[in-house]
Amino acid sequence: EAAVTQSPRNKVTVTGGNVTLSCRQTNSHNYMYWYRQDTGHGLRLIHYSYGAGNLQIGDVPDGYKATRTTQEDFFLLLELASPSQTSLYFCASSDGGSDYTFGSGTRLLVI
Amino acid sequence: LAKTTQPPSMEAYEGQEVNVSCSHTNIATSEYIYWYRQVPHQGPQFIIQGYKDYVVNEVASLFISADRKLSTLSLPWVSLRDAAVYYCIVTASSGSWQLIFGSGTQLTVMP
Repeated sequence: EAAVTQSPRNKVTVTGGNVTLSCRQTNSHNYMYWYRQDTGHGLRLIHYSYGAGNLQIGDVPDGYKATRTTQEDFFLLLELASPSQTSLYFCASSDGGSDYTFGSGTRLLVI
Repeated sequence: LAKTTQPPSMEAYEGQEVNVSCSHTNIATSEYIYWYRQVPHQGPQFIIQGYKDYVVNEVASLFISADRKLSTLSLPWVSLRDAAVYYCIVTASSGSWQLIFGSGTQLTVMP
């Protein structure tokens, strides 16, 4: 079954630490996205990509890098994690139209 | 991108029909209306989409006003499983097709 799989499900790191969140999709979608969700907010777009090697900046990109290594894999990198980046992170893929699939999320705690 | 305005919360009893409204007064002619819902510990899931008039699927129906500035998601016979945050999103179905989430409507379903 086509899906978006995120790992890890939960992560704890210290301030200044280095974190990589992983996302793999088996939907054969060109577009992939990283969102963060915080209490009182809807999902906010961090970065997105429309193909391997491509990266586009979203609405809240500061403090985040991303890399799309293959059509299937999209990574979110926090090189100097801060407590403000404590959040629930969602990855999604889409065909550029209405077929949009989200993963189950990664809960990150920066202490 | 058009902004949307939804009620922050609604309550209903099991078996009732629920209508969730969404105002999008600045919607452009190129933009479509999408509804997603998110239950706890999961990513958002697509419910329905429309451009004008009336759309129905096996899950919900969507009524869009003649001037397209207001849409109403209708959920027939809600159950406890329908308790979720419902997001109305307006976006152009072309290009990168970004989903921009607002705060949504928290639907509470009571037994």
